[in-house]
Amino acid sequence: DAGVTQSPTHLIKTRGQQVTLRCSPKSGHDTVSWYQQALGQGPQFIFQYYEEEERQRGNFPDRFSGHQFPNYSSELNVNALLLGDSALYLCASSLQLRTDTQYFGPGTRLTVL
Amino acid sequence: DQQVKQNSPSLSVQEGRISILNCDYTNSMFDYFLWYKKYPAEGPTFLISISSIKDKNEDGRFTVFLNKSAKHLSLHIVPSQPGDSAVYFCAASATSYDKVIFGPGTSLSVIP
Repeated sequence: DAGVTQSPTHLIKTRGQQVTLRCSPKSGHDTVSWYQQALGQGPQFIFQYYEEEERQRGNFPDRFSGHQFPNYSSELNVNALLLGDSALYLCASSLQLRTDTQYFGPGTRLTVL
Repeated sequence: DQQVKQNSPSLSVQEGRISILNCDYTNSMFDYFLWYKKYPAEGPTFLISISSIKDKNEDGRFTVFLNKSAKHLSLHIVPSQPGDSAVYFCAASATSYDKVIFGPGTSLSVIP
């Protein structure tokens, strides 16, 4: 039973560039949430996708956008990268919008230079 | 404004002794609380949860206590084992379907 997978593992970008991160949920899960974890901090909720629609959103600017595909996989897009976007980006999956039983992937480490 | 606080960035405990990790929250709308454990290079793993209708929940060596009037919860690990060495995140949400707010984490080291 495959768990949550994320790609790529590491990424280095330059300020102003755009980045796309990918996530495949745990088998059988239909809900995907994205989190940003800055150094020394806990994960911070970005948004949640279910049935290919954004259902909840945290306090992040419109530069952060996402997509969910019919197979439940998801992408996180960040435009006009800032130095402060450097962080570990975590994807979590669950069933039917639940947030109490989320399974996390290992994350994508994004470095913005 | 941090809604979930973990005021101890780190904690060291001898193997076999009790580890107590503390968490405070400010939002009175929170009704559901979770603890996650994170090893380096891995995503957080769910450990134990408690809803506001209870004041204690136990799962093997792990027990979570909730004091709603003080807006405080704690995670007890007894006995502590070297494999418990990890970062522990306290998290909270208003319901089982609302966004989860994480604390900054406490790094636990269990010394053999």
